[in-house]
Amino acid sequence: KQEVTQIPAALSVPEGENLVLNCSFTDSAIYNLQWFRQDPGKGLTSLLLIQSSQREQTSGRLNASLDKSSGRSTLYIAASQPGDSATYLCAVDAGGTSYGKLTFGQGTILTVHP
Amino acid sequence: EAGVAQSPRYKIIEKRQSVAFWCNPISGHATLYWYQQILGQGPKLLIQFQNNGVVDDSQLPKDRFSAERLKGVDSTLKIQPAKLEDSAVYLCASGYYNEQFFGPGTRLTVL
Repeated sequence: KQEVTQIPAALSVPEGENLVLNCSFTDSAIYNLQWFRQDPGKGLTSLLLIQSSQREQTSGRLNASLDKSSGRSTLYIAASQPGDSATYLCAVDAGGTSYGKLTFGQGTILTVHP
Repeated sequence: EAGVAQSPRYKIIEKRQSVAFWCNPISGHATLYWYQQILGQGPKLLIQFQNNGVVDDSQLPKDRFSAERLKGVDSTLKIQPAKLEDSAVYLCASGYYNEQFFGPGTRLTVL
């Protein structure tokens, strides 16, 4: 059974810092990995999706890497801003007969203070 | 385009009562998912539909939870009777290829 763990559980940083969020998964046979953002009282917004054949994806100040063999992914946020404050969730899709069934980590609560 | 719609946004009930949630996915999305997110945890998949057929409901507590997707569009999730541990946010998502698009969720409080 796939298990996804995110470290740290919470992170508080001053504005402008570069930061790294970590995600680990127990079964390396994944189809893809996604990073989501969740704002209070709102649904999830997809940030980046990395296919199993890819090593990284970039969108603006966000960069996500994937190391399938070690079961790890990192989300790098450059020059953090107060608007980045949210919960960040990673999720893996095992593919195959489990295609589309996402297994989520518990999330990292990020607070960026001015 | 319009996103995934869910209603109600909030619901408070007493234990042993019943409750129903509604989801309208993005037009044209064949796949629909219901997730349960307990406070402090990541979402957990309850059921996955492809059009109006169930693909996976292995984590749905079938003694009290039921879901349907009539005509392959809207979906309802019902809990009867509710327990205290059902307090959570219920998220609906619709899928297109690799991506899932989430609605705002329904926050259920069971007293």
